[in-house]
Amino acid sequence: QKEVEQDPGPLSVPEGAIVSLNCTYSNSAFQYFMWYRQYSRKGPELLMYTYSSGNKEDGRFTAQVDKSSKYISLFIRDSQPSDSATYLCASSGGYNKLIFGAGTRLAVHP
Amino acid sequence: SAVISQKPSRDICQRGTSLTIQCQVDSQVTMMFWYRQQPGQSLTLIATANQGSEATYESGFVIDKFPISRPNLTFSTLTVSNMSPEDSSIYLCSVTGTGGSYEQYFGPGTRLTVT
Repeated sequence: QKEVEQDPGPLSVPEGAIVSLNCTYSNSAFQYFMWYRQYSRKGPELLMYTYSSGNKEDGRFTAQVDKSSKYISLFIRDSQPSDSATYLCASSGGYNKLIFGAGTRLAVHP
Repeated sequence: SAVISQKPSRDICQRGTSLTIQCQVDSQVTMMFWYRQQPGQSLTLIATANQGSEATYESGFVIDKFPISRPNLTFSTLTVSNMSPEDSSIYLCSVTGTGGSYEQYFGPGTRLTVT
């Protein structure tokens, strides 16, 4: 079993839809959770960084962590074609080592 | 967040040769890391580049294959040695945020193709 599981998709939605991206993790020691966006042929860009359980909102993006179920989510409201990218979740128990999910390819069509 | 650059951005190399990838940060950072992203796959940590001491390698990665240097707090190199086609990947460096936080910021990556 991988430490971080993520459905690779692809996920295709119409412009303006609410997108829900999800990951599960197995290591109870994980306390730091990140979401990255990666455009084709680019490096990953940090979108959201959360510590422990709870929600964090930044513009159209909301990150949610439920440590009881080991479930992390990223919601994108009013999705735009420019949101089309691969979204990677990552978790860490500290010590700076990030464990990444497989990444979900998202396509937002006009 | 820090601005990270990598050189080269891409390269095509012959098997059996070596390539050195450079990572430059515009500010001093404590922690620097090297990752590999194989085609269609996610990121895997190769090693932590430690300033003034040997790098710390993850399981499955060895110093002879991936020697790393970290001469100061803004620069690191990763060498991919004796390359084979299986080494064709994107190689990325990353740094941690300021103030001891654990989020990481990535460079643009080096796309390596080994023929």
